[in-house]
Amino acid sequence: EIVLTQSPGTLSLSPGEGATLSCRASQSVSRSLAWYQQKPGQAPRLLIYDVSGRAAGIPDKFSGSGSGTDFTLTISRLEPEDFAVYYCQQYGSSQYSFGQGTKLEIK
Amino acid sequence: QLQLQESGPGLVKPSETLSLTCTVSGGSINSLYWSWIRQSPGKGLEWIGYIYYDGTTNYNPSLKSRVTISVDTSRNHFSLKLTSVTAADTAVYYCATDSSSTRWYVWGQGTQVTVSS
Repeated sequence: EIVLTQSPGTLSLSPGEGATLSCRASQSVSRSLAWYQQKPGQAPRLLIYDVSGRAAGIPDKFSGSGSGTDFTLTISRLEPEDFAVYYCQQYGSSQYSFGQGTKLEIK
Repeated sequence: QLQLQESGPGLVKPSETLSLTCTVSGGSINSLYWSWIRQSPGKGLEWIGYIYYDGTTNYNPSLKSRVTISVDTSRNHFSLKLTSVTAADTAVYYCATDSSSTRWYVWGQGTQVTVSS
């Protein structure tokens, strides 16, 4: 099973700032990586797929990059609704897996 | 607009079978990939498996021996059965879908299932 490790565990930032979230895979997943946002009491929401493709309706303030084992989700100009938990997910192997999440909280 | 709704018992006894249904509205089940994903405090998000409308399935190898996902096109719903459950299967269970088998754009609201005697 491919293990995804996200860092940091918690990121404290102020509205208006930019955020950089990391996801590292225990082995290469090529470009088979997605990012999700989850707010309390809600299902996850697909943001990014295939490393950098934005899902329908996702603003360009969300961007993804990376390949192989190291990936980044960048969120520019944080707004109150962006504060949530973010998960990466790989589908480079037959056993899809998720990272443990990064909580983005208001400073 | 495609919507999904999970239904089923919220409490299942250990060693019994967990059965959930996901009803699809706003669209036909005769396309797309239909998946189950669960989330627990201890294990986080875990992909369970998917079924294509033609009946093709793919399961998480770690759960494969206990999982069956089926589709009922006449009722526009798909189902999950997980046998021999233990407390470790306690989680919020989500159904989800996308045109790709590897990601999920539309999700149900989730349903809490607790395994306890």
